[in-house]
Amino acid sequence: ETGVTQSPTHLIKTRGQQVTLRCSSQSGHNTVSWYQQALGQGPQFIFQYYREEENGRGNFPPRFSGLQFPNYSSELNVNALELDDSALYLCASSLDAGTSTDTQYFGPGTRLTVL
Amino acid sequence: AQRVTQPEKLLSVFKGAPVELKCNYSYSGSPELFWYVQYSRQRLQLLLRHISRESIKGFTADLNKGETSFHLKKPFAQEEDSAMYYCALSAWGATNKLIFGTGTLLAVQP
Repeated sequence: ETGVTQSPTHLIKTRGQQVTLRCSSQSGHNTVSWYQQALGQGPQFIFQYYREEENGRGNFPPRFSGLQFPNYSSELNVNALELDDSALYLCASSLDAGTSTDTQYFGPGTRLTVL
Repeated sequence: AQRVTQPEKLLSVFKGAPVELKCNYSYSGSPELFWYVQYSRQRLQLLLRHISRESIKGFTADLNKGETSFHLKKPFAQEEDSAMYYCALSAWGATNKLIFGTGTLLAVQP
């Protein structure tokens, strides 16, 4: 069974640029959630995708967008990067979005630095 | 508002001492509570959840709805317990999004 993978590991961008982060969910999982973890903070929920549809969104502006593909892998896109977007971005997959107790399995994260 | 509070950024104990990592939550409905752990250079992983009422690696946590707390406890700390611990809440609804606390770094001294 393959775990959650994310790419790239690290990324450096400049303010105003756009970035795409990728996530491959664990085998058999149809739900992907994205989190932002700023330094010294806990992960914050960005949004969730369930069977290719957005299924809930946290308090993030529209320049944070995503996609989920038929194989349930996912992308996180951030436009017009700001310095405060510098963070570790975590992807988590789970079996079923509708079960609040369903375990979320996290990837290793992508470290984004915005200069 | 849904919120998870972990009041301690760092908890340092000696090997063999009892450990209690505090977690308080704010949620109007029936929450699902979790503890996640991140060991050095490893990914975030689930340690335990309140509905399972299980003990993992000697850790237990009891949901106290009256005090809105879900403290993590272990009677005798081991050096390998040193890690970052996050308390998280899942709000029942259409998504199983997790609301995390800011985390507590547990350092177990030899």
